[in-house]
Amino acid sequence: EPEVTQTPSHQVTQMGQEVILRCVPISNHLYFYWYRQILGQKVEFLVSFYNNEISEKSEIFDDQFSVERPDGSNFTLKIRSTKLEDSAMYFCASTVNFIRATNEKLFFGSGTQLSVL
Amino acid sequence: GQQLNQSPQSMFIQEGEDVSMNCTSSSIFNTWLWYKQDPGEGPVLLIALYKAGELTSNGRLTAQFGITRKDSFLNISASIPSDVGIYFCALMDSSYKLIFGSGTRLLVRP
Repeated sequence: EPEVTQTPSHQVTQMGQEVILRCVPISNHLYFYWYRQILGQKVEFLVSFYNNEISEKSEIFDDQFSVERPDGSNFTLKIRSTKLEDSAMYFCASTVNFIRATNEKLFFGSGTQLSVL
Repeated sequence: GQQLNQSPQSMFIQEGEDVSMNCTSSSIFNTWLWYKQDPGEGPVLLIALYKAGELTSNGRLTAQFGITRKDSFLNISASIPSDVGIYFCALMDSSYKLIFGSGTRLLVRP
């Protein structure tokens, strides 16, 4: 079964450093997402991306965050200057579309555990 | 913002027992989803519900979309050790993003 691939699986960084989390969505998918999960808490929406632009972003997704689809296969999340509270598991997800008749669904990657020290 | 309450927070049961968990929302939604998350993995969709009153099964899992469209439950029958994990309900809002519940952590005693 096709899957969403995320790298690295773990990232440790110093506060104030920039990090880039990478994702390779499923090849024919059109909608891309980043979610995050702080340890012991629920999964929270960060941003959605379609047709090479942000469709929607949450209040968590401030000016320190950016997303990019630099080529036809990668989808990245950049945090410009990491803070301690950015420590979380970051999940990439993708889907073809949400037309119910086709029973499409959102596929999640295994996540990148980001630890900011 | 939307209020989505999931209960119970955790359950520790004996293998073979049935399990039930539920979610309620403060608003009406058209899509309820149930996900399972294994340790170190991303959420995996178990069941999707699209119609009020809909009852859907996936093996030993059964989920229902409440008539009021503000609640849903997930039942697991005859639990086995590999059912261990965190179960999340989720709603899909009008912009197709998911709003997750706080999760139910399930532990199964062999």
